[in-house]
This record gives sequence, structure tokens and C-alpha cells, in this order.
Amino acid sequence: DGGITQSPKYLFRKEGQNVTLSCEQNLNHDAMYWYRQDPGQGLRLIYYSQIVNDFQKGDIAEGYSVSREKKESFPLTVTSAQKNPTAFYLCASRPWASTDTQYFGPGTRLTVL
Amino acid sequence: RKEVEQDPGPFNVPEGATVAFNCTYSNSASQSFFWYRQDCRKEPKLLMSVYSSGNEDGRFTAQLNRASQYISLLIRDSKLSDSATYLCVVRAGNTPLVFGKGTRLSVIA
Repeated sequence: DGGITQSPKYLFRKEGQNVTLSCEQNLNHDAMYWYRQDPGQGLRLIYYSQIVNDFQKGDIAEGYSVSREKKESFPLTVTSAQKNPTAFYLCASRPWASTDTQYFGPGTRLTVL
Repeated sequence: RKEVEQDPGPFNVPEGATVAFNCTYSNSASQSFFWYRQDCRKEPKLLMSVYSSGNEDGRFTAQLNRASQYISLLIRDSKLSDSATYLCVVRAGNTPLVFGKGTRLSVIA
């Protein structure tokens, strides 16, 4: 079954703890993306990666880190430096052709207590 | 100026009505245009791409006006299941997609 998976669906953490969100795709897509969505807000880009072992900061990268060691995996770490980490986190991927759009995973809802 | 602007709504319409959403974008280098649909607490899903000549998919029609940097989505014969937030999305070349904040639609029985 092809697609993008994110786990877990809901995640609770104590303030001050780092947490890593998983994103895996078996679509053989080159590019992968992490977005954050807050209630009533649009999607804001955190980080993205166009090829393995390379990634770029998005609009709100502070307090986050990523890695892209494998084409199919793009984990996001929310560090304790992120001041307001509670949000809905969405991972997306797409092939490299310029006309192709992005496809999203089901998202992880992170709550920091 | 925001890169992609949409009226947030909500648009409350009766079943069977026709409703139109508009969107403007600021980057004149934008080349790809899409409408996504997002249900409450779910991920966005591609509704349709928007082509220069305009395109239709069943009850949905998308239009693009490059000169005015304006995109529209028309929904005919609204169904209860059309209730969702509709996101206008643009991209320039191979840069990441830029999302509008969305327009909320509620179709009422």
C-alpha cells in the first residue's frame, strides 16, 4: 500500500523534552517537506529536503531539526528551544517534476504539557 | 503583503447552491496553481490543479487569471459533503508550495 505515513497520530510531551516525529514514504518521491498548522492558521513551512543528505530551512525553522539519511524518511525533531511547540505537524512529499504537487501524510498532533 | 490571500469565510450556503472562492497571489513568477481541500483535523488533499485555460472536474471549475494574479474555484450544486476548508496554493518553479490560509465552507441542509 503506497503512501506517506506519520506516527504517532497523537503525541504528548512534557515541556523541555525533545521529541522526534516520524515521516516515511514509499512513493519514491525526491522531495519531502514539514509543515506546522495552528488553529485557524495556514500551513507554515518548517524544513524541506530535495535530495538525500540535503535540506533547507523553511519560514519557521528555529527550534526544529531534521535529517534526510534515506530517500524514504524525513524525521523532524522538535527541540526544547521551540517556544510554542503544540501544533498539528504535517509531512508531505512530491516527485521532482515542476508541475507535480505535494501529497500529505495524515499528520501528528503534538501537545506539550 | 501576504503571498497568497483568501477570504477566510465562513461561507454558509444551502444545499444545491453555487459558491465561488477567490484567491490572489503576489509572486508573478508563480507557475503552478492548485486547490486543496482540508477537512477538520485532517491533512490537506489535492482537489484539482488549475490550468491557464481553466478546467472543470464534475461540479468544480477552476479559473486562472495570470494578468490579475487571481485564481477562482466555483462549486455548483453544493453537497453537505463539500463542507471543508479550501486552500489556494501556488508555486514558482521547483520552490516549495505556498499556501493560503483557506476559506471555510459550510453547506447547510
